[in-house]
Amino acid sequence: GQNIDQPTEMTATEGAIVQINCTYQTSGFNGLFWYQQHAGEAPTFLSYNVLDGLEEKGRFSSFLSRSKGYSYLLLKELQMKDSASYLCAVRDRGYGQNFVFGPGTRLSVLP
Amino acid sequence: DAGVTQSPTHLIKTRGQQVTLRCSPISGHKSVSWYQQVLGQGPQFIFQYYEKEERGRGNFPDRFSARQFPNYSSELNVNALLLGDSALYLCASSGGQASNQPQHFGDGTRLSIL
Repeated sequence: GQNIDQPTEMTATEGAIVQINCTYQTSGFNGLFWYQQHAGEAPTFLSYNVLDGLEEKGRFSSFLSRSKGYSYLLLKELQMKDSASYLCAVRDRGYGQNFVFGPGTRLSVLP
Repeated sequence: DAGVTQSPTHLIKTRGQQVTLRCSPISGHKSVSWYQQVLGQGPQFIFQYYEKEERGRGNFPDRFSARQFPNYSSELNVNALLLGDSALYLCASSGGQASNQPQHFGDGTRLSIL
């Protein structure tokens, strides 16, 4: 079976750093993706990890440990516009290499 | 360049009716996937098509069907609508089957069943 877990909600202060965790158990693994979704809008791609380690992209970084089935998204220098839901998705290794999404973490950035 | 486009943006139907949702992928993208997103939850995979062939199917009843056309656009059909089908339906396209290819999402069709 496939199971992806994320905290439901998080709150942080403008200018701070926040870490959003994701744990997964999937029958196959072919990469982990993070998406940002503002209320009422489409998810937008943030980052991709397939090997263990840290990937940095400006204010956003994502980490993966395949042996632990664990990833996190790190957001630095938080801005009000970062208030959104953050979705962790695992790409299956099956025929269609489909994406399995977690429930999403709703982040609120306060002034 | 145009992103993934979906139509209609909003739709209201009643129980038992049928609906067709449409999606045009990013130019050059041959893979299209459909997702259902209920408020407060992550997207749930419904179908994936690549080069006009079904490549994956999620855990949805046979009332859900889809197809991909020669120009790589796609339609999702849902028959005998139930109240629980009320959701945001997202279409995503990607450039290929390589593992590092992200999916790019359209703005979705918000379907309400009365």
